[in-house]
Amino acid sequence: SQKIEQNSEALNIQEGKTATLTCNYTNYSPAYLQWYRQDPGRGPVFLLLIRENEKEKRKERLKVTFDTTLKQSLFHITASQPADSATYLCAPLNQAGTALIFGKGTTLSVSS
Amino acid sequence: ETGVTQSPTHLIKTRGQQVTLRCSSQSGHNTVSWYQQALGQGPQFIFQYYREEENGRGNFPPRFSGLQFPNYSSELNVNALELDDSALYLCASSLPETSGRPTGELFFGEGSRLTVL
Repeated sequence: SQKIEQNSEALNIQEGKTATLTCNYTNYSPAYLQWYRQDPGRGPVFLLLIRENEKEKRKERLKVTFDTTLKQSLFHITASQPADSATYLCAPLNQAGTALIFGKGTTLSVSS
Repeated sequence: ETGVTQSPTHLIKTRGQQVTLRCSSQSGHNTVSWYQQALGQGPQFIFQYYREEENGRGNFPPRFSGLQFPNYSSELNVNALELDDSALYLCASSLPETSGRPTGELFFGEGSRLTVL
């Protein structure tokens, strides 16, 4: 069955450092991969989408990579800030653009 | 603010009862998806509606059903509630495809927290 694994449930870093979150998938060949941010008690908020033929995508302090050989996506937040503290979810999409399942998420805590 | 609103925000039901959750999509979004998010888990796809027709379904039993209305608002109905149905139910609307490629971005509401006792 399809499986999505995000490297760790919690990641604690110091303000100003780069946070790197990992998303691995098995038994799946997604055409796209998305990353979302979710704050406690709120719905997820879209951050970035990357296509299978793209190696890297950037948006302000965010960077996503997509390695279809390793079946892995990395999500980086540079110059992290306490306001970046949240749970980050990855969601591979099928060819129809549907996210059938999200990863459990990694909860990032940025301390000042 | 995503422009997607859900109601009710919280509700408590007992096992065997039925529940209807409602969602108002963002203007112009003709596709709506419903997700179930259990505590500590990522959202799981229940089904998707496009122009009032179901056009995709996840691994959920038939007692989970839905409707989409001409104004693109939507309902999720769950019959014969079980304890494991306790979760946050998320509605997400999305833009129509452009140039044959899905835009993919989901605009989520804040969810309806269902507790089944």
